[in-house]
Amino acid sequence: QKEVEQNSGPLSVPEGAIASLNCTYSDRGSQSFFWYRQYSGKSPELIMFIYSNGDKEDGRFTAQLNKASQYVSLLIRDSQPSDSATYLCAVRQSGGSNYKLTFGKGTLLTVNP
Amino acid sequence: EAQVTQNPRYLITVTGKKLTVTCSQNMNHEYMSWYRQDPGLGLRQIYYSMNVEVTDKGDVPEGYKVSRKEKRNFPLILESPSPNQTSLYFCASSLRRTNEQFFGPGTRLTVL
Repeated sequence: QKEVEQNSGPLSVPEGAIASLNCTYSDRGSQSFFWYRQYSGKSPELIMFIYSNGDKEDGRFTAQLNKASQYVSLLIRDSQPSDSATYLCAVRQSGGSNYKLTFGKGTLLTVNP
Repeated sequence: EAQVTQNPRYLITVTGKKLTVTCSQNMNHEYMSWYRQDPGLGLRQIYYSMNVEVTDKGDVPEGYKVSRKEKRNFPLILESPSPNQTSLYFCASSLRRTNEQFFGPGTRLTVL
């Protein structure tokens, strides 16, 4: 079973700090990686995707990918209370006809004013 | 507005009473998928469709059916719902199977 692991949290940071969310995956051949944000009772909302090793920045968000270590992270700079949500890491598996997205169980982030 | 819609948003029903949850997207996406989300288990794929008339099972297909007669619609059918199908259901779509997926607003289903 190909797995995606995240710390469930909660991760608590003060407003203005950097929040660091981590994700590891078991399928070494995975090709693409996604971060979704999910507010309680709402649907997942895509924040970023990353395909290549290294960093990808979009506003206050930076995704980091290290395929050798099978590790992907999301940094949120200048965290705001509105960033308080569950963050889901999703990995697209290699092979097969489905190209299925496998989701981690999510990390709950709380940003304290 | 580009979106994925689901109906109903909330449903309480009884064991054995057939129901359908509709999903529609207006983005001309080829790939559509159904997920259920349960506490402690995360999002799990039920069924997916790569195009019209092409559907296949995901990780937890038991007790569900789907159809894809039109590109925009991908209904989820529960022929005989049971209490263990009480869950939050999401429909998602993507341009193709390798692209990022966009989620509908969710349907909260309770089976008594």
